[in-house]
Amino acid sequence: AQSVTQLGSHVSVSEGALVLLRCNYSSSVPPYLFWYVQYPNQGLQLLLKYTSAATLVKGINGFEAEFKKSETSFHLTKPSAHMSDAAEYFCAVNLGSEKLVFGKGTKLTVNP
Amino acid sequence: NAGVMQNPRHLVRRRGQEARLRCSPMKGHSHVYWYRQLPEEGLKFMVYLQKENIIDESGMPKERFSAEFPKEGPSILRIQQVVRGDSAAYFCASSPQGKNIQYFGAGTRLSVL
Repeated sequence: AQSVTQLGSHVSVSEGALVLLRCNYSSSVPPYLFWYVQYPNQGLQLLLKYTSAATLVKGINGFEAEFKKSETSFHLTKPSAHMSDAAEYFCAVNLGSEKLVFGKGTKLTVNP
Repeated sequence: NAGVMQNPRHLVRRRGQEARLRCSPMKGHSHVYWYRQLPEEGLKFMVYLQKENIIDESGMPKERFSAEFPKEGPSILRIQQVVRGDSAAYFCASSPQGKNIQYFGAGTRLSVL
C-alpha cells in the first residue's frame, strides 16, 4: 500500500530563511508525487508535480522539490521565505490508480 | 477557463437531515474525485467518477453516502441522515482524460449541529 509521511506538522521560519518541508513516501512502483498548498478556508493549489522526468522539479512561487529514489523522499524547498508563504502544505502520491494519497500536512509559519 | 466550482461553500445541517454537495469540473474534464478533510488531518479519498460511472468508491462509507456524475450537470455528493461526525470540509477535484493531475475546488464546509 502506498503512504505518505510528512515529518513535522508545524514548521516555523523567519522571513528570508530557507524553507524545508519533508515528505517521504512508500511505494513498490515508481510514483507520481505532488505538493499542494492550502491557504486558510481555501482549496488546494498545485505547487509542483514529479512524473518521472527530471528529478528536480520547479514549481510556482519559487518552490522546488527533489525526488530521491534511494531515500524515498520528495522534500519541498524554497531558498527565501516570504510572509505570503504561510499556509498548509500537503504532499501526495499517486501510483496511477487515479486517487491521491495525502500526507497529514505541514503548517508553515513565517515570522517577520 | 473557470476552475472547479463547488457549492455551497458552507452548509449547515441538523442531525438527521440530508446534505447535497455539488461540484462542476473544469471545462473539458471528464474525471471527478471527492475527498474529505477532517480537522488536523490530510485529505482522504472518497470516490472517483467519470460521466455516468462510479470508477472507484473504495473510500466511501458504506451507508448514507452516495455520489453521482450525470451526463448533464454537476457531480453530486449526497449524505443522508447526517451525524456530527460528518462535519468536515469536502473537496472536489477534476482532471482531463489521460492526465495524471487533479485540480481542486475551494471545498464545501459542512457543519452538522
